[in-house]
Amino acid sequence: DSGVTQTPKHLITATGQRVTLRCSPRSGDLSVYWYQQSLDQGLQFLIQYYNGEERAKGNILERFSAQQFPDLHSELNLSSLELGDSALYFCASSGSSGGGFYNEQFFGPGTRLTVL
Amino acid sequence: AQTVTQSQPEMSVQEAETVTLSCTYDTSESDYYLFWYKQPPSRQMILVIRQEAYKQQNATENRFSVNFQKAAKSFSLKISDSQLGDAAMYFCAYRGLIQGAQKLVFGQGTRLTINP
Repeated sequence: DSGVTQTPKHLITATGQRVTLRCSPRSGDLSVYWYQQSLDQGLQFLIQYYNGEERAKGNILERFSAQQFPDLHSELNLSSLELGDSALYFCASSGSSGGGFYNEQFFGPGTRLTVL
Repeated sequence: AQTVTQSQPEMSVQEAETVTLSCTYDTSESDYYLFWYKQPPSRQMILVIRQEAYKQQNATENRFSVNFQKAAKSFSLKISDSQLGDAAMYFCAYRGLIQGAQKLVFGQGTRLTINP
């Protein structure tokens, strides 16, 4: 158990809908990262938050957005869903925004999103 | 931009034998970190081993060891005495040090099968 929790575990929805994925980082971790794992694109970084502020953006679609709340949990919002958005979405957390060696990322169990 | 390449989509090995998974990467940075993650059928991302680029000594963790060749930008994973529980997808990953660039960049993965 990494200490990172994600809800829900599975989500099935229809095209055009909007969903919210939730992540609670390990106790004390300030950084949250979101990754998408799809069959054709592999594991890709979406976005990073540190202590409530956006720190880095990757290949995140404009239809997707995220935020980190004062209690440090994070939510990833996916809207106008398309079939191609079906994927496993991981959240990872780490201790700080610094680049220190012990700043490894701990992954949650993921949320599997299926868009029908 | 950094890239990570795993040229072996699939590998198989007999139980108790040794197997080596290959990984190459491209970066212009001089300091960075490299990781191998394991993803079993449960889909959980599990950190197997990590290497700091400034360290010449290859990292080892029990039956897992790496061959880090910085000049060649190569980072292979050796699994000794393979066990059935080692069967999984293995991902090589790169992480930079610069603030805002601590995202993990993953290779496409190698599916490892252990034959009893």
